[in-house]
Amino acid sequence: QVQLQESGPGLVRPSETLSLTCAVSGYSISSGYYWGWIRQPPGKGLEWIAIIYHSGNTYFNPSLKSRVTISVDTSKNQVSLKLTSVTAADAAVYYCARLASGTSDYWGQGTLVTVSS
Amino acid sequence: DVVMTQSPLSLPVTLGQPASISCRSSQSLVHSDGNTHLNWFQQRPGQSPRRLIYKVSDRDSGVPDRFSGSGSGTDFTLKISRVEAEDVGVYYCMQGTHWPWTFGQGTKVEIK
Repeated sequence: QVQLQESGPGLVRPSETLSLTCAVSGYSISSGYYWGWIRQPPGKGLEWIAIIYHSGNTYFNPSLKSRVTISVDTSKNQVSLKLTSVTAADAAVYYCARLASGTSDYWGQGTLVTVSS
Repeated sequence: DVVMTQSPLSLPVTLGQPASISCRSSQSLVHSDGNTHLNWFQQRPGQSPRRLIYKVSDRDSGVPDRFSGSGSGTDFTLKISRVEAEDVGVYYCMQGTHWPWTFGQGTKVEIK
């Protein structure tokens, strides 16, 4: 059974960099599939942030591209996300997910990020 | 970006009665691979989204057969034949044809 577990700081100060990690179990990232991050501001809808293949091929949401870095560590079976210059608008639950062709079949439980000084 | 528009945004339903959610896309969702990548997700309160339907009408393993998806091109529908208490939550359509993939605003299903 594929499982994804997000982790992160919980609280980030405005203008700082948010760093999140997604630990994958039950499947080796290096075996295939794209892996990605989605966010959901409190009480609002869902937004794709970025996706990455184990080889390093990436796609970014143009609305966030200038501030986002996504990476994989196949030795740790993890996917990471960095978002720079955060503001209150970046406060959200951040999910990681596995992508298949045109769909996403496994999601983590999400990690809540608050932006505050 | 492809805009996904769901209606209604709120859907009060009587237990045992049917429910229907519409999802319209601003562009055709037919992919160059020949598939139409329209998905439906259910998000129960306090939980992460769970995929119910992919490629318009393919139901995930373990999803009750009271859930069905239909449609083509830019117009899609999720139907629940008989709503049960466990179906309460927010339902999202998501297109996986054009990057960035995008979601509808969500439809909140509640019991009357």
